[in-house]
Amino acid sequence: EMQLVESGGGLIQPGGSLRLSCVASGFRFSDNWIHWVRQAPGEGLVWVSHISRDGSITDYADSVKGRFTISRDNAKNTLYLQMNSLRVEDTAVYYCTRDQPGDPNAFDIWGQGTMVTVSS
Amino acid sequence: DIVMTQSPDSLAVSLGERATINCKSSQSVLYSSKNKDYLAWYQQKPGQPPKLLIYWASTRESGVPDRFSGSGSGTDFTLTISSLQAEDVAVYYCQQYYRTPYTFGQGTKLEIK
Repeated sequence: EMQLVESGGGLIQPGGSLRLSCVASGFRFSDNWIHWVRQAPGEGLVWVSHISRDGSITDYADSVKGRFTISRDNAKNTLYLQMNSLRVEDTAVYYCTRDQPGDPNAFDIWGQGTMVTVSS
Repeated sequence: DIVMTQSPDSLAVSLGERATINCKSSQSVLYSSKNKDYLAWYQQKPGQPPKLLIYWASTRESGVPDRFSGSGSGTDFTLTISSLQAEDVAVYYCQQYYRTPYTFGQGTKLEIK
C-alpha cells in the first residue's frame, strides 16, 4: 500500500522552531515531487512548499518564504519541513502529499497530517 | 497568484439527485502545447485528508465512482455528482497545479437535503 506518514507536530511558542517529517512507503519515493499542504482549523487547504525528485528545486508560499525549509532524503524515503520563527497563523494540520508521476500533476496520495499549534 | 473561486459555498441536494459545483480561475490553467487543463478536484470528509477525485479537469482517478465527473476548460470548471449518495457528504475543493503557488478554491460544503 502506498503511504505517507507525517510526524513532528506539537505545541510550540511563537518564535519557536519545529521540524516535521514525512515517511513514504509502498512506492519509489525518488520518482515524485512532494509537497506540504496545510489546513488551519475550520479553514481550507493552502499549499506551502514543494521539492523536486532529487531535491534540487524547491519553492514556497510567500507566507512561509524565508522561515520554512523543505528537504528530502531519498535514501531514507523521508521528506522534511524545518519551520522557524513560527507564528500563531502557522497553526494548522500539515499534510505531505505527492505529485502523480510525470509532469506537474495533481496530488494523489496524502498523509493523515500532523497538527502544529503555535500559541503562548 | 491564480485565484480559484468556487460556487456555491454550500449546497444541499436530495439523495439520488444531481449536485453541481463550479470553479473559476483568475487566469487560464490550460497548457496549450499539451492541451491539458491543470485542474484537479478533491473530496475531504471530516477528520480525513483530501482525496483526489478528478485531474486534468476531467480524468477520474482510479477507484472513484463514475457518478463523479469533471468538465470545463480554460478558466471555468464544473464537478458533477450525477446521483448523490449519503457517503458523498463532504467538502469539495478545486485546485490549479498550472503554476506555483498551487492554489485551492475555498471549498464547497455538500450536504443532504
